[in-house]
Amino acid sequence: DAGVIQSPRHEVTEMGQEVTLRCKPISGHNSLFWYRQTMMRGLELLIYFNNNVPIDDSGMPEDRFSAKMPNASFSTLKIQPSEPRDSAVYFCASSQGTSGSGAGQYFGPGTRLTVL
Amino acid sequence: AQSVSQHNHHVILSEAASLELGCNYSYGGTVNLFWYVQYPGQHLQLLLKYFSGDPLVKGIKGFEAEFIKSKFSFNLRKPSVQWSDTAEYFCAVTTYNTDKLIFGTGTRLQVFP
Repeated sequence: DAGVIQSPRHEVTEMGQEVTLRCKPISGHNSLFWYRQTMMRGLELLIYFNNNVPIDDSGMPEDRFSAKMPNASFSTLKIQPSEPRDSAVYFCASSQGTSGSGAGQYFGPGTRLTVL
Repeated sequence: AQSVSQHNHHVILSEAASLELGCNYSYGGTVNLFWYVQYPGQHLQLLLKYFSGDPLVKGIKGFEAEFIKSKFSFNLRKPSVQWSDTAEYFCAVTTYNTDKLIFGTGTRLQVFP
C-alpha cells in the first residue's frame, strides 16, 4: 500500500494568495483527518470526515479555511486568503473502521506551508 | 473535555538506558490509547495502541506500554534505548464513540551514543 499521499510536500506563497493542499487516503479507509502542527501550538485537529461527510470541524481556525472530500479517495484543504500565521506543517491522516473502534490513524508525510 | 498530559517535555538519555515516558488522560469512560513517534523531519507513525484486553501492549521497535485504568495512565517503556530512538513521542486518546484523536503535547527524546 502506498500509504497516505499528500501534495505538494512544500509550498511557499505570498500573503493573500489561495493555497490548496491535497490528500489521498489509504484505499479502504473511511475516515480522513486534517491536522496542523506548529512549534507553538503542537498538533491540532482541524477537521475530520467519515464516509466523505464532515463530522467535526470545530478545529478549523476561521472562515479562511475550508475542506472538502468529494469522494473516498481525495480531500482538499484550502486557505483563502493565506496569512503568515498559517505557516505550519499540515498533515492528513486516515483510518478504517467504525467510530471508537481503536483502528489508529495513519499519517501522510505532510505539507510544509510557508506564507511570506 | 478530554485531555492528555505528557509531563516529560524533554528527556535526554545515553544509549542502553531504560526509558519510561509518562502519559495521563482525563476521561472516565472507555478509551482507546495510542503512542505515536515522529522522527526528525518526518510524519507521525503509530508505535502501539491499546483497544481492549491485555493492558500490557507491545509495539514496534521494542516499545511497550501499560494501561493502568485506576491511574488513567498509559506509560511508554523501552528497556534499552538506541541512538535511532531520538524522536518526539506523542500519546493520544480516543473515546468510545469518536475517531477524534486527542494528542498530548509530546515528549522530545534525545539519545546520545
